[in-house]
Amino acid sequence: QLQLQESGPGLVKPSETLSLICSLSGGSIISSTYYWDWIRQPPGKGPEWIASVYYSGSTYYNPSLKSRVTIFIDTSNNQFSLKLTSVTAADTAVYYCARRSQGARIFDPWGQGILVTVSS
Amino acid sequence: DIVLTQSPDSLAVSLGERATITCKSSQTVLYSSNNKNYLAWYQQRPGQPPKLLIYWASIRESGVPDRFSGSGSRTYFTLTISSLQAEDVAVYFCQQYYTTPPTFGGGTKVEIK
Repeated sequence: QLQLQESGPGLVKPSETLSLICSLSGGSIISSTYYWDWIRQPPGKGPEWIASVYYSGSTYYNPSLKSRVTIFIDTSNNQFSLKLTSVTAADTAVYYCARRSQGARIFDPWGQGILVTVSS
Repeated sequence: DIVLTQSPDSLAVSLGERATITCKSSQTVLYSSNNKNYLAWYQQRPGQPPKLLIYWASIRESGVPDRFSGSGSRTYFTLTISSLQAEDVAVYFCQQYYTTPPTFGGGTKVEIK
């Protein structure tokens, strides 16, 4: 059964870069059927889609974050990653990685999530 | 972006009673070429990630109890829990995947009365 696990620092200073890794177990990141996505959820709010990557390296970004976000895939280590630059307090959220189907573009499963707080 | 508006923000229902949540979309999510509504529902228990319940507006994910049902089309959708159980206490979100970026509703918190 596929599992995803986020890792990275839980505290980032304003104006710095947030970097997270999603590690897969129980399945391969090399799949023609799925995309690999990052989603965040500010405290008490609904989730917000950030970005998506395909095993080929193709990437897709939320236009609202595109200028600050990079997503990339590491097939040799069965991982994908997120970088978000110039963070502010508004970027404080639980960050999730998730698998997304090509057909019904739904998110399943999700990782447990990692709380990232932006504060000096 | 498509905006999804859920109501109510929260509701309290007695055990065994029905709970109904609505999700209104700012534009249609019905794709005419295949007659499918590009809408999903998720359940998020406290301290847990969202879990997929329903997709294509009315198809239950494998393993989801049949007390959960989804209905609606175009811009108006409902999630119904026919007989609320204690383990159903959670926040429920709708999500559209008709356009990019995919977007989520603000959530509805379901509690026991």
